Amino acid sequence: DAGVIQSPRHEVTEMGQEVTLRCKPISGHNSLFWYRQTMMRGLELLIYFNNNVPIDDSGMPEDRFSAKMPNASFSTLKIQPSEPRDSAVYFCASSLAENTGELFFGEGSRLTVL
Amino acid sequence: GENVEQHPSTLSVQEGDSAVIKCTYSDSASNYFPWYKQELGKGPQLIIDIRSNVGEKKDQRIAVTLNKTAKHFSLHITETQPEDSAVYFCAASTSGTYKYIFGTGTRLKVLA
Repeated sequence: DAGVIQSPRHEVTEMGQEVTLRCKPISGHNSLFWYRQTMMRGLELLIYFNNNVPIDDSGMPEDRFSAKMPNASFSTLKIQPSEPRDSAVYFCASSLAENTGELFFGEGSRLTVL
Repeated sequence: GENVEQHPSTLSVQEGDSAVIKCTYSDSASNYFPWYKQELGKGPQLIIDIRSNVGEKKDQRIAVTLNKTAKHFSLHITETQPEDSAVYFCAASTSGTYKYIFGTGTRLKVLA
């Protein structure tokens, strides 16, 4: 079975540009998470969807960040405009259970903003 | 809110030796403690977990222990192999919630 699929794997962009990261969760999973990983702050939860509905976006850094889940098989994380401090690895994860279920992570999207 | 501290940040062991990674948590309501392994260029992957109704759990060379009174839990890897080299993360969560608070990670190097 395919795992969580993320694209692009690597993105290099210039400050001010729009960045869109994409995620396809595991089929049948009803929970989707976006995490950001940096050396300084570790793994941070940005937003959590359950059954395609955003439940908790308190981790989204600011209005420049937005996320959508138009259907059960696709989610996007958008940064507009991007800044150098947004450079990080962004992970999408999905889970079968709404709570305390195993998280299945994608391989991540490494973002570099120059 | 919950806070998870993880030690050490880096750990080097000789192949065949044991490795121990420790985590402490602050919220006594936390009752689910997974451990994730992250290999270079990959996403974290669950390797073992423990719930607060047990004190120890084993899976081949990996074991996790939990001390609820002291609010700490540990990952034990025996007979380490080069493929065990990775970054390991502990996490804490409370049943009925979706929020996992992750530790800062331990980079384990197994020297051949």
